[in-house]
Amino acid sequence: QKEVEQNSGPLSVPEGAIASLNCTYSDRGSQSFFWYRQYSGKSPELIMSIYSNGDKEDGRFTAQLNKASQYVSLLIRDSQPSDSATYLCAVNRMDSSYKLIFGSGTRLLVRP
Amino acid sequence: NAGVTQTPKFQVLKTGQSMTLQCAQDMNHNSMYWYRQDPGMGLRLIYYSASEGTTDKGEVPNGYNVSRLNKREFSLRLESAAPSQTSVYFCASSATKGPQYFGPGTRLTVL
Repeated sequence: QKEVEQNSGPLSVPEGAIASLNCTYSDRGSQSFFWYRQYSGKSPELIMSIYSNGDKEDGRFTAQLNKASQYVSLLIRDSQPSDSATYLCAVNRMDSSYKLIFGSGTRLLVRP
Repeated sequence: NAGVTQTPKFQVLKTGQSMTLQCAQDMNHNSMYWYRQDPGMGLRLIYYSASEGTTDKGEVPNGYNVSRLNKREFSLRLESAAPSQTSVYFCASSATKGPQYFGPGTRLTVL
């Protein structure tokens, strides 16, 4: 079992729809959770951080965390073609506050 | 603020050659990291430096060395490059327990 798992996709949604990206993790002690967006040929860009159970909203993005189920998700409302990218989930390791474990990413395609 | 900068952007080496990848950050972060990213493999941690004066191995340290020159700078050295080290290399930095911020990357090809 991978430490951080994501569906590789591609997840294809029409413009204006809600895109839902999911991530599960294995380390029950993890405390910090991050979503990064990576355009093709570019570096990962932080878009959301979440540390406690529940929802956190920032503009069109909502991160949801459920520690009991070891599940974190990212919702993108009113999806735009410019949101087409790979989304990486990252989780800190309980044995290290410094190290993050990254999922392999979900590729999102927003159709005009 | 420039954030995290990396040099060079692109590099082609022959097998056995050596090179150093440079990374600098201006966010006053304590921790710095080196990753490689290969298709289908995701981001893999090579080395990290939790604070100035310390370095530790990550998942894939073989064939690499690092130097934390000062708080701002963290370099990655390939002593004898191999084709298996063809990859995109990212440097990142973070405050303690904070998110990591990435540089633009170095695309390295080893022939």
